[in-house]
Amino acid sequence: AQKVTQAQTEISVVEKEDVTLDCVYETRDTTYYLFWYKQPPSGELVFLIRRNSFDEQNEISGRYSWNFQKSTSSFNFTITASQVVDSAVYFCALSLTDSWGKFQFGAGTQVVVTP
Amino acid sequence: EAQVTQNPRYLITVTGKKLTVTCSQNMNHEYMSWYRQDPGLGLRQIYYSMNVEVTDKGDVPEGYKVSRKEKRNFPLILESPSPNQTSLYFCASSLSLAGYEQYFGPGTRLTVT
Repeated sequence: AQKVTQAQTEISVVEKEDVTLDCVYETRDTTYYLFWYKQPPSGELVFLIRRNSFDEQNEISGRYSWNFQKSTSSFNFTITASQVVDSAVYFCALSLTDSWGKFQFGAGTQVVVTP
Repeated sequence: EAQVTQNPRYLITVTGKKLTVTCSQNMNHEYMSWYRQDPGLGLRQIYYSMNVEVTDKGDVPEGYKVSRKEKRNFPLILESPSPNQTSLYFCASSLSLAGYEQYFGPGTRLTVT
């Protein structure tokens, strides 16, 4: 069975602190895709990043960075110098190429950034 | 503007009264999917469709039906809603399967009393 675990339910930080969100996944597939989505208080779901299982390069986009490690089945997300606008729920998700169409989301991590 | 629309946005209904939540996308996407979001459980996939007339069950399909008669529309049908279907529902679409990001609708808050 496939599974995505986000063990951190809520993380509270003060503005300008860094915050790292953990995502651990389980799959027997060799080909899969991992995603991160953001859900701000307004409720919409916003795509942040996609990574396929053959690309272990870390990625940086502004204050956001992602660390993909197949050896530990983790796809962690770091927000550097957090801002109040980063307050949101963040979801990690897994998509498998042998179960075309199925997506597994983690339970989400609520990030609260206070001024 | 490229978007996924859902209607209604909010709905309060009673147990057993059939309802349909509509979903439409204007991006000519092949893939569409329905999710429900519940506290502590994240998003769980209800049904998905890989193209017109092709649908399949996600992880929590019980109590729901879908149809895909046109590429742009993917309605979610609750034939006999029950209180445990009270949830926040999202429709999503993507260009194709697996490796493509999904675009989500604004959500439908459903309460079944």
